[in-house]
Amino acid sequence: DAGVIQSPRHEVTEMGQEVTLRCKPISGHNSLFWYRQTMMRGLELLIYFNNNVPIDDSGMPEDRFSAKMPNASFSTLKIQPSEPRDSAVYFCASSLRWGSTPTGELFFGEGSRLTVL
Amino acid sequence: GNSVTQMEGPVTLSEEAFLTINCTYTATGYPSLFWYVQYPGEGLQLLLKATKADDKGSNKGFEATYRKETTSFHLEKGSVQVSDSAVYFCALSSSGGSYIPTFGRGTSLIVHP
Repeated sequence: DAGVIQSPRHEVTEMGQEVTLRCKPISGHNSLFWYRQTMMRGLELLIYFNNNVPIDDSGMPEDRFSAKMPNASFSTLKIQPSEPRDSAVYFCASSLRWGSTPTGELFFGEGSRLTVL
Repeated sequence: GNSVTQMEGPVTLSEEAFLTINCTYTATGYPSLFWYVQYPGEGLQLLLKATKADDKGSNKGFEATYRKETTSFHLEKGSVQVSDSAVYFCALSSSGGSYIPTFGRGTSLIVHP
C-alpha cells in the first residue's frame, strides 16, 4: 500500500516567492497533520484536519501560512510570501479515526525540505 | 497540558553496546505512549507503543515499559547496531489533549562500528 506522499521533496526559492507543498494521505485515513521540523524548534504541529475540516490551526506561525484540504485525498500548505526563516522540513502525516481511540498512530510522509534564500 | 521530555543527545555508542534513552511525560487523562524513529532523510515511523500502565512495547529488539508511577517510558535495546543510528522521538496522546500527539525534541543516536 502506498504511504503518505509529499511533493516536492526539495524546494529552493527566493524570499518573497510563493511556495506550495502538497500531500496525499493514506487512502481511508480521515485525519491529516502538517508539521514543521527545524534544529532549533524540533517538531512543531502547524495544523490538523479531521474529515477535511481544519480543527486546530493555532500552530500556524502567521498569516503568511495557509492550509487547505479540498478532499480526502489531497492537502496543500502554502507560504506566501516566503522568508528565509521558513526554511525547514515540512512533514505531512495521516491517521485513521483519530479521536475515536487513544491508540492512534501517525503515518508520516518523507517530508518536503524547503530552503528560502 | 501535555508535555514530553527526552534526554538530550547525541548519544554515541559502539556497536553491541546497551542503549537507554530516557523519556518522561506529563499528561492529563490516561495517555498512550509511543516511540518513533526517524532515519536520515526520512519521515518518522512508529517503533513501538504502549497504551496502559505496565504495558511493554517492543519491536526490532527495542523495548519500553509504561511506568505510571514515575511517568516514564524509557527506550532500551540490549545490543545496538550501526543501522540503529537515527533520531528517536518519544510521544504521547491523551483525551486531555484531544488525542493530538505531543512529541519530545528527539534524541540522536550514533552507533560506531
